[in-house]
Amino acid sequence: EEQLVESGGGLVQPGGSLRLSCRASGFIFSNFWMNWVRQAPGKGLEWVANIKKDGREKYYADSVKGRFTISRDNAEKSLYLQMSSLRHDDTAIYYCSIGHYGRWGQGTLVTVS
Amino acid sequence: DIQMTQSPSSLSASVGDRVTITCQASQAIRNYLSWWQHKPGKTPKVVIYDASHLEPGVPSRFSGSGSGTDFTLTISSLQPEDVATYYCQRYDNLPPWTFGQGTKVEIK
Repeated sequence: EEQLVESGGGLVQPGGSLRLSCRASGFIFSNFWMNWVRQAPGKGLEWVANIKKDGREKYYADSVKGRFTISRDNAEKSLYLQMSSLRHDDTAIYYCSIGHYGRWGQGTLVTVS
Repeated sequence: DIQMTQSPSSLSASVGDRVTITCQASQAIRNYLSWWQHKPGKTPKVVIYDASHLEPGVPSRFSGSGSGTDFTLTISSLQPEDVATYYCQRYDNLPPWTFGQGTKVEIK
């Protein structure tokens, strides 16, 4: 069964940096686009970024462009989100997800305060 | 960027009622639309993909329709376990793969 486990969340000061990881298992990781999606407290779902199967194409929401970097290591079956210049409004649960409509992980909480 | 406008933002209906949620794209997205169910404290899960395809394991009371710019999610007979927030999401062409604002469904 497909499984995604996020890690790396925590409390960080405004302007700080954080690196999220998502470890995949139970499916052929290198065959799928992967996403980061977030949900701020009391808000809806916001697509953050995604990356092509081979890592050569990456896309970002305007709200994070220039501050966040998505990457992947297919050998390690892992997805990453490097976040820098963090702001209060980046506070959210961050989820990794598979492709267009695949499984999501349980999420990791990032608090910028 | 293509915007996704979902309505209503919330609704309250009785068990057994037919419930309809709409999603409108600001540009045509063919049928590249999914519907997500997000229950409190749980991970979002897809109920409909490619606008009208029921995800395996999802009850048949859920259905989706539409193409181009206008889409609908219907719950034919609302059940207590359907209480959740529902989101549409586009995934045509290039990102951003925008979500609608969400519709909170409650039992009256």
